[in-house]
Amino acid sequence: AQSVSQHNHHVILSEAASLELGCNYSYGGTVNLFWYVQYPGQHLQLLLKYFSGDPLVKGIKGFEAEFIKSKFSFNLRKPSVQWSDTAEYFCAARPGNLIFGKGTKLSVKP
Amino acid sequence: NAGVTQTPKFRVLKTGQSMTLLCAQDMNHEYMYWYRQDPGMGLRLIHYSVGEGTTAKGEVPDGYNVSRLKKQNFLLGLESAAPSQTSVYFCASSPTTGGVNTEAFFGQGTRLTVV
Repeated sequence: AQSVSQHNHHVILSEAASLELGCNYSYGGTVNLFWYVQYPGQHLQLLLKYFSGDPLVKGIKGFEAEFIKSKFSFNLRKPSVQWSDTAEYFCAARPGNLIFGKGTKLSVKP
Repeated sequence: NAGVTQTPKFRVLKTGQSMTLLCAQDMNHEYMYWYRQDPGMGLRLIHYSVGEGTTAKGEVPDGYNVSRLKKQNFLLGLESAAPSQTSVYFCASSPTTGGVNTEAFFGQGTRLTVV
């Protein structure tokens, strides 16, 4: 079955630390990949998406992600996190219906 | 431009009661989805629709029914609510599916508690 795996359930960082959240997917063919963020009490917001082309994708708020086809990975990165990045982050993949990972909670200490 | 609108935003039900969640989109999208979000489980697909008059089961369809009588609306029904259906429900819409380079747009969510 198609699936999306996120490696970390909860990540705790201090402000200015670098962030990398892992995401792997199980599709073998053409795939669209997404990272969503959910701030406490709010709905999902799209951070960035990959459809094709340059495997390094830049999104909002300084986030970026790299698509590595050989590793079936789409890891999310940010060079320097802020307290306001505290949220839950979801990786998702398609074709077909959009399948989500279980999410990673990020807590940033001021 | 409202995008995807869900009503209600909050609801408390007693076990055995029924209710309908409404999702409305104004983007003329063909595809609509209902997800539930539970702690540590991410978002799981309940039902989806690929166009007006069509519905299909997702990953966790049991205990739910849906209808898509109008293209812009997708209704999620609980005929006899159970505590296990306590969750946050998200609706989404998309121009197409099948890897045609489109994204899904989400509503603000409905927090449902079944007591």
